[in-house]
Amino acid sequence: DIQLTQSPSFQSASVGDRVTITCRASQGISSYLAWYQQKSGKGPKLLIYAASSLQSGVPPRFSGSGSGTEFTLTISSLQPEDFATYYCQQLNSYPLTFGGGTKVEIK
Amino acid sequence: EVQLVESGGGLVQPGGSLRLSCAASGFTFSDHYMDWVRQAPGKGLEWVGRVRNKPNGLGTEYAASVKGRFTISRDDSASSLYLQMNSLKTEDTAVYYCTRVFGTAWSTHHLDYWGQGALVTVSS
Repeated sequence: DIQLTQSPSFQSASVGDRVTITCRASQGISSYLAWYQQKSGKGPKLLIYAASSLQSGVPPRFSGSGSGTEFTLTISSLQPEDFATYYCQQLNSYPLTFGGGTKVEIK
Repeated sequence: EVQLVESGGGLVQPGGSLRLSCAASGFTFSDHYMDWVRQAPGKGLEWVGRVRNKPNGLGTEYAASVKGRFTISRDDSASSLYLQMNSLKTEDTAVYYCTRVFGTAWSTHHLDYWGQGALVTVSS
């Protein structure tokens, strides 16, 4: 199974900060990676697919990059509504797997 | 508007069975693969499994943790997805999400819509 390691697990940040989250895969997954945002008590929301494609309706302050084994999600200027937990997911092979999550908290 | 609404959650004893349903609307259900994803209380997301669409043989895939105990099925005439859970264990306690897979090519297997989730509690 492909393991995904997200870092950091927790990120304390202020409104306006640039935030970067890393997702490392235990083996190469090309660009078959998605990023999701989950707010407390809600189902996740797709942000980025194919490593760097922005899902329709998602603000352009969110961006994704990477291929192979290392990927990043960047929020260019953190907004109050961005405080949430973020997960990466590999879509390269079964079983599909998620990273452990990164909780972005208010500093 | 795409909507996915799960139902059938509840409290069940270890060793018991439960069937979750997901009612889909707002899109052509039969065109899409569908997945179940779960989240134990206070934990991260875990992919449970997938059912492909009819043109791709209605095949299924499962996580190792549920293989042989859970069965995913679909009824395209009713735009519904199901998760039959047997031999339930306490570690199956989680919120179960019904999700839509965007496309059928590997590059399009991201989960673009999620339901609100159904809580399954396995406890004596």
